[in-house]
Amino acid sequence: SQTIHQWPATLVQPVGSPLSLECTVEGTSNPNLYWYRQAAGRGLQLLFYSVGIGQISSEVPQNLSASRPQDRQFILSSKKLLLSDSGFYLCAWSPSLPGGANYGYTFGSGTRLTVV
Amino acid sequence: AQSVTQLGSHVSVSEGALVLLRCNYSSSVPPYLFWYVQYPNQGLQLLLKYTSAATLVKGINGFEAEFKKSETSFHLTKPSAHMSDAAEYFCAVSDPTNYGGSQGNLIFGKGTKLSVKP
Repeated sequence: SQTIHQWPATLVQPVGSPLSLECTVEGTSNPNLYWYRQAAGRGLQLLFYSVGIGQISSEVPQNLSASRPQDRQFILSSKKLLLSDSGFYLCAWSPSLPGGANYGYTFGSGTRLTVV
Repeated sequence: AQSVTQLGSHVSVSEGALVLLRCNYSSSVPPYLFWYVQYPNQGLQLLLKYTSAATLVKGINGFEAEFKKSETSFHLTKPSAHMSDAAEYFCAVSDPTNYGGSQGNLIFGKGTKLSVKP
């Protein structure tokens, strides 16, 4: 069966420090991968999605970047965190079949990031 | 373009009362529809999904939703609320004819927080 792992669960970082959040998927090949952010009262915001190694699409210009160095690994990064980067970050995957999103997404357990 | 509207950012019900969470969609083609639940500090979990088969869809934890094309709605219901149902619920839509790019992704509503009073 497929599983998705996301870590760390919580993170407190000072303003200006770097960030690296990791997400890995097991039990499937070539998944579509997604990074979302939830800020208080603002719903789910799609940040990045990837349909393959090295293929990253950015939905919203940010202080953040994403990379996919391996088929089932998706990393969210920042060189210098801002206070506004605080939030709950979620990784998700869907099958890479045509119309894979129609099968729904499977989400990781999330990372609570607090920038102080 | 597709969109999803969840009416009511907060809904409060008493334990044992009917739960009704509203979702309306806008889509140029019959969509696929989903409901997700999120408990505090956890990821989203799929409750149920509609994929053009039966219009009444049953999900986990006693929830169900009915696809009504004429009303462009996919409301989530549960006959009797339990304290453990307190969570945030998200409706989402996808276009089954769209096979790639951002247009092929799920579109989520803004969520409805459900509170259950004892």
